[in-house]
Amino acid sequence: SQQGEEDPQALSIQEGENATMNCSYKTSINNLQWYRQNSGRGLVHLILIRSNEREKHSGRLRVTLDTSKKSSSLLITASRAADTASYFCATDEANSKLTFGKGITLSVRP
Amino acid sequence: GAGVSQSPSNKVTEKGKDVELRCDPISGHTALYWYRQSLGQGLEFLIYFQGNSAPDKSGLPSDRFSAERTGGSVSTLTIQRTQQEDSAVYLCASSLPPREQFFGPGTRLTVL
Repeated sequence: SQQGEEDPQALSIQEGENATMNCSYKTSINNLQWYRQNSGRGLVHLILIRSNEREKHSGRLRVTLDTSKKSSSLLITASRAADTASYFCATDEANSKLTFGKGITLSVRP
Repeated sequence: GAGVSQSPSNKVTEKGKDVELRCDPISGHTALYWYRQSLGQGLEFLIYFQGNSAPDKSGLPSDRFSAERTGGSVSTLTIQRTQQEDSAVYLCASSLPPREQFFGPGTRLTVL
Protein backbone atom coordinates (compact mmCIF):
# COMPACT_ATOMS: atom_id res chain seq x y z
CA SER A 1 0.00 0.00 0.00
CA GLN A 2 1.20 3.50 -0.75
CA GLN A 3 2.10 5.74 2.17
CA GLY A 4 3.93 8.63 0.59
CA GLU A 5 2.38 10.62 -2.20
CA GLU A 6 4.79 12.79 -4.13
CA ASP A 7 3.88 15.98 -5.91
CA PRO A 8 4.27 16.85 -8.71
CA GLN A 9 4.42 13.56 -10.62
CA ALA A 10 6.73 15.10 -13.19
CA LEU A 11 8.88 18.21 -13.18
CA SER A 12 10.89 19.75 -16.02
CA ILE A 13 13.27 22.61 -15.31
CA GLN A 14 16.24 24.38 -16.83
CA GLU A 15 19.75 23.66 -15.62
CA GLY A 16 20.65 26.06 -12.83
CA GLU A 17 17.10 26.39 -11.55
CA ASN A 18 15.92 24.96 -8.24
CA ALA A 19 13.67 21.91 -8.09
CA THR A 20 11.17 21.44 -5.29
CA MET A 21 9.43 18.12 -4.74
CA ASN A 22 6.80 17.42 -2.11
CA CYS A 23 5.72 14.30 -0.29
CA SER A 24 2.71 13.71 1.93
CA TYR A 25 2.09 10.68 4.10
CA LYS A 26 -0.65 9.30 6.28
CA THR A 27 0.62 7.71 9.49
CA SER A 28 3.09 8.53 12.24
CA ILE A 29 6.67 7.92 11.25
CA ASN A 30 10.11 7.43 12.79
CA ASN A 31 11.88 8.90 9.81
CA LEU A 32 11.44 9.86 6.18
CA GLN A 33 14.00 9.17 3.50
CA TRP A 34 14.49 10.46 -0.02
CA TYR A 35 15.97 8.31 -2.75
CA ARG A 36 17.00 8.84 -6.36
CA GLN A 37 16.70 6.23 -9.08
CA ASN A 38 18.29 6.30 -12.51
CA SER A 39 17.20 4.02 -15.33
CA GLY A 40 14.78 2.00 -13.22
CA ARG A 41 17.45 0.14 -11.28
CA GLY A 42 19.14 0.67 -7.92
CA LEU A 43 17.98 3.32 -5.51
CA VAL A 44 20.52 5.82 -4.24
CA HIS A 45 19.95 7.13 -0.75
CA LEU A 46 19.95 10.92 -0.62
CA ILE A 47 18.97 11.99 2.87
CA LEU A 48 17.20 10.78 6.00
CA ILE A 49 15.27 13.11 8.30
CA ARG A 50 13.99 11.92 11.66
CA SER A 51 10.60 12.73 13.07
CA ASN A 52 12.09 15.12 15.64
CA GLU A 53 13.99 17.08 12.98
CA ARG A 54 12.56 19.89 10.89
CA GLU A 55 15.26 20.53 8.32
CA LYS A 56 18.42 18.88 7.01
CA HIS A 57 20.98 19.84 4.42
CA SER A 58 23.34 17.78 2.35
CA GLY A 59 25.29 19.57 -0.35
CA ARG A 60 22.76 21.01 -2.80
CA LEU A 61 19.90 19.16 -1.09
CA ARG A 62 17.62 20.58 1.54
CA VAL A 63 14.87 18.52 3.13
CA THR A 64 12.13 19.75 5.43
CA LEU A 65 9.69 17.76 7.50
CA ASP A 66 6.42 18.98 8.97
CA THR A 67 4.97 16.20 11.11
CA SER A 68 1.86 18.24 11.93
CA LYS A 69 1.00 18.35 8.23
CA LYS A 70 2.52 14.96 7.52
CA SER A 71 4.54 16.36 4.69
CA SER A 72 8.11 16.73 3.50
CA SER A 73 9.83 18.62 0.75
CA LEU A 74 13.07 18.05 -1.12
CA LEU A 75 14.79 21.06 -2.64
CA ILE A 76 17.62 20.62 -5.12
CA THR A 77 19.40 23.90 -5.70
CA ALA A 78 21.33 24.89 -8.82
CA SER A 79 20.15 21.79 -10.69
CA ARG A 80 22.35 19.98 -13.18
CA ALA A 81 21.53 17.74 -16.12
CA ALA A 82 22.92 14.85 -14.04
CA ASP A 83 20.11 15.38 -11.51
CA THR A 84 17.67 14.00 -14.10
CA ALA A 85 16.17 10.93 -12.40
CA SER A 86 13.17 9.66 -10.51
CA TYR A 87 12.91 10.73 -6.88
CA PHE A 88 11.06 8.82 -4.19
CA CYS A 89 10.12 9.60 -0.64
CA ALA A 90 9.87 6.67 1.73
CA THR A 91 8.53 6.54 5.25
CA ASP A 92 9.74 4.32 8.05
CA GLU A 93 7.15 3.78 10.76
CA ALA A 94 9.01 1.43 13.06
CA ASN A 95 12.69 1.38 12.10
CA SER A 96 11.95 -1.44 9.71
CA LYS A 97 10.38 -1.54 6.28
CA LEU A 98 10.06 1.50 4.04
CA THR A 99 6.83 2.48 2.35
CA PHE A 100 7.43 4.34 -0.89
CA GLY A 101 5.50 6.88 -2.87
CA LYS A 102 5.03 6.57 -6.61
CA GLY A 103 7.94 8.86 -7.41
CA ILE A 104 8.60 12.11 -9.20
CA THR A 105 10.27 12.24 -12.59
CA LEU A 106 12.66 15.17 -12.74
CA SER A 107 14.05 16.32 -16.07
CA VAL A 108 16.75 18.96 -16.07
CA ARG A 109 17.27 20.53 -19.49
CA PRO A 110 20.85 21.55 -20.34
CA GLY B 1 33.61 -0.48 1.09
CA ALA B 2 31.46 -2.82 -0.99
CA GLY B 3 27.80 -2.03 -1.33
CA VAL B 4 24.84 -4.35 -1.53
CA SER B 5 25.22 -6.82 -4.38
CA GLN B 6 22.56 -8.90 -6.08
CA SER B 7 22.68 -11.75 -8.52
CA PRO B 8 21.78 -12.41 -11.20
CA SER B 9 21.30 -8.93 -12.61
CA ASN B 10 18.82 -10.29 -15.14
CA LYS B 11 16.82 -13.49 -15.15
CA VAL B 12 14.52 -14.73 -17.87
CA THR B 13 12.47 -17.78 -17.03
CA GLU B 14 9.49 -19.69 -18.31
CA LYS B 15 6.17 -19.65 -16.56
CA GLY B 16 5.98 -22.42 -13.98
CA LYS B 17 9.72 -22.61 -13.27
CA ASP B 18 11.29 -21.80 -9.90
CA VAL B 19 13.83 -18.99 -9.51
CA GLU B 20 16.30 -18.00 -6.81
CA LEU B 21 17.51 -14.46 -6.34
CA ARG B 22 20.50 -13.70 -4.17
CA CYS B 23 21.43 -10.70 -2.06
CA ASP B 24 24.75 -9.95 -0.36
CA PRO B 25 24.26 -7.13 2.15
CA ILE B 26 26.82 -4.64 3.37
CA SER B 27 29.07 -6.34 5.88
CA GLY B 28 27.90 -5.70 9.44
CA HIS B 29 24.39 -4.67 8.51
CA THR B 30 21.98 -6.57 10.72
CA ALA B 31 18.82 -5.81 8.78
CA LEU B 32 18.04 -6.95 5.25
CA TYR B 33 14.99 -6.12 3.16
CA TRP B 34 13.48 -7.31 -0.10
CA TYR B 35 11.32 -5.06 -2.25
CA ARG B 36 10.04 -5.32 -5.77
CA GLN B 37 9.28 -2.67 -8.33
CA SER B 38 6.87 -3.05 -11.18
CA LEU B 39 5.16 -0.59 -13.47
CA GLY B 40 1.72 -1.21 -12.12
CA GLN B 41 2.50 -1.47 -8.40
CA GLY B 42 5.44 0.85 -7.81
CA LEU B 43 7.90 -0.08 -5.07
CA GLU B 44 6.52 -2.71 -2.71
CA PHE B 45 7.94 -4.16 0.47
CA LEU B 46 8.20 -7.96 0.51
CA ILE B 47 10.05 -9.15 3.62
CA TYR B 48 12.41 -7.90 6.32
CA PHE B 49 15.11 -9.80 8.21
CA GLN B 50 16.71 -8.86 11.48
CA GLY B 51 19.60 -11.23 11.78
CA ASN B 52 18.36 -14.56 10.46
CA SER B 53 14.78 -14.14 11.55
CA ALA B 54 12.01 -12.48 9.58
CA PRO B 55 9.77 -10.44 11.88
CA ASP B 56 7.81 -9.04 8.96
CA LYS B 57 6.80 -11.15 5.98
CA SER B 58 3.64 -9.20 5.35
CA GLY B 59 4.58 -8.13 1.83
CA LEU B 60 5.06 -11.58 0.33
CA PRO B 61 2.28 -11.76 -2.28
CA SER B 62 1.60 -15.49 -2.08
CA ASP B 63 2.94 -18.72 -0.63
CA ARG B 64 4.94 -19.19 -3.83
CA PHE B 65 7.33 -16.60 -2.41
CA SER B 66 9.78 -17.46 0.35
CA ALA B 67 13.06 -16.09 1.61
CA GLU B 68 15.78 -17.09 3.97
CA ARG B 69 18.85 -15.54 5.42
CA THR B 70 21.79 -17.49 6.75
CA GLY B 71 24.68 -16.48 8.97
CA GLY B 72 23.17 -13.03 9.37
CA SER B 73 24.44 -12.26 5.90
CA VAL B 74 23.40 -13.59 2.49
CA SER B 75 19.72 -13.87 1.67
CA THR B 76 17.92 -15.83 -1.02
CA LEU B 77 14.46 -14.99 -2.32
CA THR B 78 12.79 -17.97 -3.96
CA ILE B 79 9.78 -17.79 -6.24
CA GLN B 80 8.17 -21.12 -7.04
CA ARG B 81 6.02 -21.82 -10.09
CA THR B 82 6.63 -18.35 -11.49
CA GLN B 83 3.78 -16.46 -13.10
CA GLN B 84 3.92 -13.61 -15.59
CA GLU B 85 2.75 -11.17 -12.92
CA ASP B 86 5.95 -11.95 -11.00
CA SER B 87 7.92 -10.04 -13.64
CA ALA B 88 9.51 -7.07 -11.90
CA VAL B 89 12.78 -5.70 -10.59
CA TYR B 90 13.56 -7.28 -7.23
CA LEU B 91 15.55 -4.98 -4.98
CA CYS B 92 17.45 -5.86 -1.83
CA ALA B 93 18.54 -3.38 0.81
CA SER B 94 20.46 -3.57 4.05
CA SER B 95 20.87 -1.31 7.02
CA LEU B 96 22.05 -0.92 10.58
CA PRO B 97 18.75 0.23 12.13
CA PRO B 98 17.67 2.92 12.72
CA ARG B 99 19.90 4.22 9.97
CA GLU B 100 19.24 4.53 6.25
CA GLN B 101 18.74 1.56 3.95
CA PHE B 102 21.22 0.99 1.15
CA PHE B 103 19.95 -0.69 -1.98
CA GLY B 104 21.53 -3.09 -4.41
CA PRO B 105 21.27 -2.76 -8.19
CA GLY B 106 18.35 -5.16 -8.39
CA THR B 107 17.51 -8.30 -10.34
CA ARG B 108 15.24 -7.85 -13.33
CA LEU B 109 13.01 -10.92 -13.55
CA THR B 110 11.12 -11.63 -16.74
CA VAL B 111 8.67 -14.51 -16.80
CA LEU B 112 7.70 -15.59 -20.30
